[in-house]
Amino acid sequence: EAGVTQFPSHSVIEKGQTVTLRCDPISGHDNLYWYRRVMGKEIKFLLHFVKESKQDESGMPNNRFLAERTGGTYSTLKVQPAELEDSGVYFCASSQEGRGRRDSPLHFGNGTRLTVT
Amino acid sequence: AQSVTQPDIHITVSEGASLELRCNYSYGATPYLFWYVQSPGQGLQLLLKYFSGDTLVQGIKGFEAEFKRSQSSFNLRKPSVHWSDAAEYFCAVGGRITGGGNKLTFGTGTQLKVEL
Repeated sequence: EAGVTQFPSHSVIEKGQTVTLRCDPISGHDNLYWYRRVMGKEIKFLLHFVKESKQDESGMPNNRFLAERTGGTYSTLKVQPAELEDSGVYFCASSQEGRGRRDSPLHFGNGTRLTVT
Repeated sequence: AQSVTQPDIHITVSEGASLELRCNYSYGATPYLFWYVQSPGQGLQLLLKYFSGDTLVQGIKGFEAEFKRSQSSFNLRKPSVHWSDAAEYFCAVGGRITGGGNKLTFGTGTQLKVEL
């Protein structure tokens, strides 16, 4: 079974530019999460999709961040325009959790390292 | 609000020595607790989790952790460390999972270095 795939693995952009990160979850996983780790700090929750619906987007920093999951398969996270403080590693994770499956663990991708200069 | 504290940013141990990584949490009820490991260039891998029941939890790669409610701790242990255990370790706490919810609060991580 293929794992969670993220690309690009690295992205270097200038302040003010736009970047789109992509995540392909494990096939059949309805739940998809985005997390972010800013250098030296903890990994923080950004948002949670159940299929194509946003279940919880309380962790999104501001309206420069837009996440989508059209068709309930892969997801994209767009940052527009990027700022210096957006630099960090963006992780995507998926799981099969749901009613009666509360112990379904998160499977993480390798992350996208974003550097805004 | 829930929070997780990992007081040790870096730890160095000799191969074959025992290991204990500390984790303290703050949560208003019985939490769900997790330990993840991240090797260089890799994603986070789940080592073990505690939901309920036996407070001593066994995980993969020979790791175990003990939930101590009175101390709000969930320390990770391994009796004999291998060089391949060098990685960054994250403790995390989650709330009740109702119909879907792996919304985790992570600690800042502990970087483990293993000396040969």
